[in-house]
Amino acid sequence: GQNIDQPTEMTATEGAIVQINCTYQTSGFNGLFWYQQHAGEAPTFLSYNVLDGLEEKGRFSSFLSRSKGYSYLLLKELQMKDSASYLCAVAYLGAGSYQLTFGKGTKLSVIP
Amino acid sequence: NAGVTQTPKFRVLKTGQSMTLLCAQDMNHEYMYWYRQDPGMGLRLIHYSVGEGTTAKGEVPDGYNVSRLKKQNFLLGLESAAPSQTSVYFCASRGQGYEQYFGPGTRLTVT
Repeated sequence: GQNIDQPTEMTATEGAIVQINCTYQTSGFNGLFWYQQHAGEAPTFLSYNVLDGLEEKGRFSSFLSRSKGYSYLLLKELQMKDSASYLCAVAYLGAGSYQLTFGKGTKLSVIP
Repeated sequence: NAGVTQTPKFRVLKTGQSMTLLCAQDMNHEYMYWYRQDPGMGLRLIHYSVGEGTTAKGEVPDGYNVSRLKKQNFLLGLESAAPSQTSVYFCASRGQGYEQYFGPGTRLTVT
């Protein structure tokens, strides 16, 4: 089975840095995704990690430690538009296809 | 390219009614998925398809049926709607990579 944990809510100040953690227990791990979802909208892809280490993409970075079952998403220079839910998802091989199991999401509120 | 589209965007059903949600993608993707998203539950996989003419059950398939008669379309059917099926339904598609591309969602209320 798959089990993914991430904080329910976080608040951070505009211009600051915030780290959103995700821990997982899964069988057949094939990578970890982070998606961003604004209220009332579809999830959009942010990052994908399959090997240990840090992946940087502009203001966003994602880290993975497979041995610890741990990932984090780091958002720098926070902007008001970063207020959204951030979804951690683990890819695993299901019947005939790679599938994603999603965590419940972390709602980030950016305040002035 | 429109990407992934879903119709309708909103729908209100009465208990026992039936309906079909349509998902269409123009990216020639092999894999398509239907999820539901409920407050405090995250996205949960209902059914998925690995290619035209194939379907498989996901985590929460009960009460739903699907069909993939054409590669670009993936239909989700509710034969007899129940209030527990009130949710936001997202369709997604994937090519040969791991990234899934999501449609805008269908907000369904069953009274």
